[in-house]
Amino acid sequence: ETGVTQTPRHLVMGMTNKKSLKCEQHLGHNAMYWYKQSAKKPLELMFVYSLEERVENNSVPSRFSPECPNSSHLFLHLHTLQPEDSALYLCASSQEFRAWNEQFFGPGTRLTVL
Amino acid sequence: SQKIEQNSEALNIQEGKTATLTCNYTNYSPAYLQWYRQDPGRGPVFLLLIRENEKEKRKERLKVTFDTTLKQSLFHITASQPADSATYLCALDLSGSARQLTFGSGTQLTVLP
Repeated sequence: ETGVTQTPRHLVMGMTNKKSLKCEQHLGHNAMYWYKQSAKKPLELMFVYSLEERVENNSVPSRFSPECPNSSHLFLHLHTLQPEDSALYLCASSQEFRAWNEQFFGPGTRLTVL
Repeated sequence: SQKIEQNSEALNIQEGKTATLTCNYTNYSPAYLQWYRQDPGRGPVFLLLIRENEKEKRKERLKVTFDTTLKQSLFHITASQPADSATYLCALDLSGSARQLTFGSGTQLTVLP
């Protein structure tokens, strides 16, 4: 256990559905991240929330919408997704949003879009 | 553009041998470089961090080197075991902001008994 939990672990949705992924960290960290991992591709940073700011990858489509109500919880709201959005979605946290901080990852949500 | 390359997508070695994985990067030299291990269907797990002023870092059977002249990090697992079989990812800050990590695509290591 890394101290980062994600639910659900698996999700199958149609292109017209709306769903949300949830992440919770019990480590007292101040930065949380969403990554997308597609087969044979590197981890792709989607969003970062830290005490100071929110950072987003400009290439992420607007059908992905993050929400961070507090420093322990992070959501990824999904709507009108496409089949190419099928991937493993990983949440991570770190003490601060700094390149020298190790990141703790959750187990991921395996998303399939039909 | 900034890029990270990890050697061959897959590496097979015999149990007991030393596995050596490579992480090369272009252009900007990061101040920090991290290595992670990822098992199938799970999130990556942090292994080691090395700073630009550190030539080498060790942790048990793991050793990481960082050559800023060659723009390369080597990751060694000595006395490898089948349980070391996994995908190993390097991650570094290519933005120069000392904040965001960019991950390589990983090398899948298989240690054969």
